Amino acid sequence: QVQLVQSGAEVKKPGASVKVSCKASGYTFTSYYMHWVRQAPGQGLEWMGVINPSGGSTTYAQKFQGRVTMTRDTSTSTVYMEVSSLRSEDTAVYYCARAFQFYDSFDPWGQGTLVTVSS
Amino acid sequence: EIVLTQSPGTLSLSPGERATLSCRASQSVSSSSLAWYQQKPGQAPRLLIYDASSRATGIPDRFSGGGSGTDFTLTISRLEPEDFAVYYCQQYGSSPQFGGGTKVEIK
Repeated sequence: QVQLVQSGAEVKKPGASVKVSCKASGYTFTSYYMHWVRQAPGQGLEWMGVINPSGGSTTYAQKFQGRVTMTRDTSTSTVYMEVSSLRSEDTAVYYCARAFQFYDSFDPWGQGTLVTVSS
Repeated sequence: EIVLTQSPGTLSLSPGERATLSCRASQSVSSSSLAWYQQKPGQAPRLLIYDASSRATGIPDRFSGGGSGTDFTLTISRLEPEDFAVYYCQQYGSSPQFGGGTKVEIK
C-alpha cells in the first residue's frame, strides 16, 4: 500500500535550520508530485510548496520563498524539506502529501513531523 | 490568491443528524478543483472528496460533495460517532489554498 513515512520530531533554536524527510513506498516515486503543508498548534493548514520528484523542479508559496528548500533522492524514494532561519512562529507539524499532478488533491499524507522552535 | 471561507466555524449536532458544511471562494475555482479533508486530533488529514463531488477510495457514501464556481458544500447524510472531526476544503485549480476549517462536534 502507498505509505509516506516522515522523520521524527525536532527541537531547534531560533535562527537554526531543520530538515524533514518523507520516505515514499508502494508506488512509482517519480510519477507523483510531493507537496508540503504545515499546521501550527490549534491552527489550520498552510501550503508551503511542491517538488516534482521526476526532475526535481520546485515551486514554493511566496511566503516561504528564500527560506524553504525542497529536494529529493530518487535512489531512496525520499523527499526532503529544509526550513532555514527558524523563528518561534515556525513551530508546527509539517506534513508531506502526494499528488498525481501539480494541481491535484493530496492523497495520502505522511504522519506529520512536529518541529518546535524554542530558545 | 484565492481565499476560501468555511462556515460555520463550529457545527454542534447529534449522531444520526445531517451535517451541511459550506466553503466559499473569493473567485471562481477552475474546473471544480476543490477537495474536502477530514482531520481528527493527532492525525493527518484524510482526503474525502476531490473534484468537488467525487468520493475518494474507501470513503462511505454518507459523504457527498457538491457545488461549482465559488460555492461548495460537503454533506454528511447521517453522522456516525467517528465523523466528529474538523473538515477542511482546499482548492487546487491554482496555487493550493485551504479554508480555515469547520469543527463538527457532538451536541
